[in-house]
Amino acid sequence: DQQVKQNSPSLSVQEGRISILNCDYTNSMFDYFLWYKKYPAEGPTFLISISSIKDKNEDGRFTVFLNKSAKHLSLHIVPSQPGDSAVYFCAASIIGNEKLTFGTGTRLTIIP
Amino acid sequence: EAGVAQSPRYKIIEKRQSVAFWCNPISGHATLYWYQQILGQGPKLLIQFQNNGVVDDSQLPKDRFSAERLKGVDSTLKIQPAKLEDSAVYLCASSLALVAGELFFGEGSRLTVL
Repeated sequence: DQQVKQNSPSLSVQEGRISILNCDYTNSMFDYFLWYKKYPAEGPTFLISISSIKDKNEDGRFTVFLNKSAKHLSLHIVPSQPGDSAVYFCAASIIGNEKLTFGTGTRLTIIP
Repeated sequence: EAGVAQSPRYKIIEKRQSVAFWCNPISGHATLYWYQQILGQGPKLLIQFQNNGVVDDSQLPKDRFSAERLKGVDSTLKIQPAKLEDSAVYLCASSLALVAGELFFGEGSRLTVL
């Protein structure tokens, strides 16, 4: 049972344009959401998070949007840079329990 | 600040053999996790420790996998006997507190079972 889904395995975006990565979840108990970035042969690194009391969180070029009614979140990267090429994982948890449930990842390629 | 250390980085074994992975978390991090990441999938939690106690091991295949965190610092994950489907990257992560938040991952140990 895949509780966190990333339906796009890959995405290619021109440098300077906006990258939009999507994530859907099925468990309505989730109330904290995170995005992790992973380069080859490295572990995932935390990028940005959002709690269910918000619908938007921004950190520099990265913005995460949460639509609770649709059980959907998205990560926007503006402007996209070559160093953003990586696999991005969406993760969800329940506040009070650090256990993270991950999606399958989206490989983002930024084209120079 | 030193990150999460894992070893070995790569291991190739025959099925039915045993293997052990070691993890040293970031100093002061009370919570330690082992995740399994199979190719093309997201990381899946195997076991979560708070200090040296187990918080969640519901997805650990206990007939073949075991993990310990003696003295509440470093940890070992053992697989015995290994199966072909255990081929994966085993990721160790640590965090400061038992609340939803940022986990710090090691580089992972890639296991290939032949």
